[in-house]
Amino acid sequence: GAVVSQHPSRVICKSGTSVKIECRSLDFQATTMFWYRQFPKQSLMLMATSNEGSKATYEQGVEKDKFLINHASLTLSTLTVTSAHPEDSSFYICSAVPGLAGGYFFGPGTRLTVL
Amino acid sequence: QKEVEQDPGPLSVPEGAIVSLNCTYSNSAFQYFMWYRQYSRKGPELLMYTYSSGNKEDGRFTAQVDKSSKYISLFIRDSQPSDSATYLCAMSQGFNDMRFGAGTRLTVKP
Repeated sequence: GAVVSQHPSRVICKSGTSVKIECRSLDFQATTMFWYRQFPKQSLMLMATSNEGSKATYEQGVEKDKFLINHASLTLSTLTVTSAHPEDSSFYICSAVPGLAGGYFFGPGTRLTVL
Repeated sequence: QKEVEQDPGPLSVPEGAIVSLNCTYSNSAFQYFMWYRQYSRKGPELLMYTYSSGNKEDGRFTAQVDKSSKYISLFIRDSQPSDSATYLCAMSQGFNDMRFGAGTRLTVKP
């Protein structure tokens, strides 16, 4: 199946710093990638849809100035958590779609801990 | 009413049991149906992908879609402790509109 990678897998940072998370589709091109947040024992919550070459579309309640998304190429989308606070600590997961006949493929996730 | 309803469990079964996981949905326009398995602290892994109604089998896993009842199922035969995970159903109408169930936590006891 299609492979999606994320980097870093785990990050610990101080409150007020910014953190960048990368999502790459390794063996296919993805014009659209998705970013999710998942709190412990809860389901995935879609944060935003990342479109190559255009602005991301954010879900209601997600601050676009806090969660900056850049989809600079067909294989890379980045999520930057700006001025992170402890409440931003969560598991962030990206997904990408290689085409209609395949479903969504997810990255392994990035665990963010803000101290 | 949520678009996708899934009992979060937890569900505990003995090793070797047949597991039945289910989701219901309200949007009749959904036509792509998926099941994902998520181990703790890992990203979801695509298990089964089905287009429209019908059954699909892959090893010990069988996915069923009944669009008339807006009901999908995942069956796991001869369940193993390694099947212990959270199972998420997902469905979409088109390309960019996937909706997830809450996920069912499954534990298979040796």
